[in-house]
Amino acid sequence: DSGVTQTPKHLITATGQRVTLRCSPRSGDLSVYWYQQSLDQGLQFLIQYYNGEERAKGNILERFSAQQFPDLHSELNLSSLELGDSALYFCASSASNSPLHFGNGTRLTVT
Amino acid sequence: GQNIDQPTEMTATEGAIVQINCTYQTSGFNGLFWYQQHAGEAPTFLSYNVLDGLEEKGRFSSFLSRSKGYSYLLLKELQMKDSASYLCASRSAGNMLTFGGGTRLMVKP
Repeated sequence: DSGVTQTPKHLITATGQRVTLRCSPRSGDLSVYWYQQSLDQGLQFLIQYYNGEERAKGNILERFSAQQFPDLHSELNLSSLELGDSALYFCASSASNSPLHFGNGTRLTVT
Repeated sequence: GQNIDQPTEMTATEGAIVQINCTYQTSGFNGLFWYQQHAGEAPTFLSYNVLDGLEEKGRFSSFLSRSKGYSYLLLKELQMKDSASYLCASRSAGNMLTFGGGTRLMVKP
């Protein structure tokens, strides 16, 4: 168990809808990262937060947004969903200069 | 910018040794990581190199050459459960990790 908690585990929704994915980092970790992994693809970096502030942005679509709250949990919001958004979404957390530890992911299916 | 290359697939025999190579081009390089990922599961941390040389951790070792932008992961005494994808990732300033596409390793009896 990595200590990173993601909810929900599975999400099935229709095109055009909006969903929110939630992540609780390991105790003491200030950094939270979001990655997208489509079927048989590598991990694509979306966005990073550090202690509530956005730190780095990858190839995140404008339809996607995220935030990190004062209690350090993070949410990834996906809107106007398309079939191609179906993927595993991983959250990871880390302390400074430490390895990333990943949650079990949220499997999103857009129908 | 970031660019990471590793082979897509490898096959090895149970009990053998396998080496998975990774080359990278990373601005502000600040470390090289290896993760293991079983299908549909979370990546799990295996090893980390920030200085040149070999880091050994049981059956797993990782090597880094910063001047060559090269790393490898060495798996010894392969077991069937080692069948998984192995992800090479480079870290840049700000603790941002960029992953390669992963190497799918199949261990055969």
